Amino acid sequence: ETGVTQSPTHLIKTRGQQVTLRCSSQSGHNTVSWYQQALGQGPQFIFQYYREEENGRGNFPPRFSGLQFPNYSSELNVNALELDDSALYLCASRPAARTDTQYFGPGTRLTVL
Amino acid sequence: QKEVEQNSGPLSVPEGAIASLNCTYSDRVSQSFFWYRQYSGKSPELIMSIYSNGDKEDGRFTAQLNKASQYVSLLIRDSQPSDSATYLCAVKTREIGNQFYFGTGTSLTVIP
Repeated sequence: ETGVTQSPTHLIKTRGQQVTLRCSSQSGHNTVSWYQQALGQGPQFIFQYYREEENGRGNFPPRFSGLQFPNYSSELNVNALELDDSALYLCASRPAARTDTQYFGPGTRLTVL
Repeated sequence: QKEVEQNSGPLSVPEGAIASLNCTYSDRVSQSFFWYRQYSGKSPELIMSIYSNGDKEDGRFTAQLNKASQYVSLLIRDSQPSDSATYLCAVKTREIGNQFYFGTGTSLTVIP
């Protein structure tokens, strides 16, 4: 186990709804990245937070947003869900942005109907 | 978005053979390179990292990096059925935040 937890494990939503996914980092890890992994694809970088500030973003629309809290846990929010948002959402934490080893959580499987 | 491409799969090898996985990347300023293994239904786990040109060996795994050709590979010697998984190549950039970008993965099946 990596010490990174995510909730919920599975989620089913309908088009147009909003969803919040949660990630609890390893203790002391101040950097968290979120990824979207569609079936049969590699993880796609959504954004990264370092000490509560977003410090990197991939090619995702603004309806994907996030937060990182003082205890370094984080949230991924997706508004106006689309069918193509169905995917495994992974968070990964690491002790600092410059470090190379990131620890993945088990992921949240989101299905949009 | 940085581009990381992996050789198309799926790849099947007999038990005991060498599995060769390849990856190219588009960003010349990429600084660090990684191979992750992902079992079906699980999250990725890091198996190798490489930073300098040449080979890096860790047990049955060897990573090879050629920055001039923007190419990184992973060799798995004496492949075992437990090696059957999807292998993801990832690069870390020099950009602020040092983000990771992943390839689409290559599915490997080791046949007993």
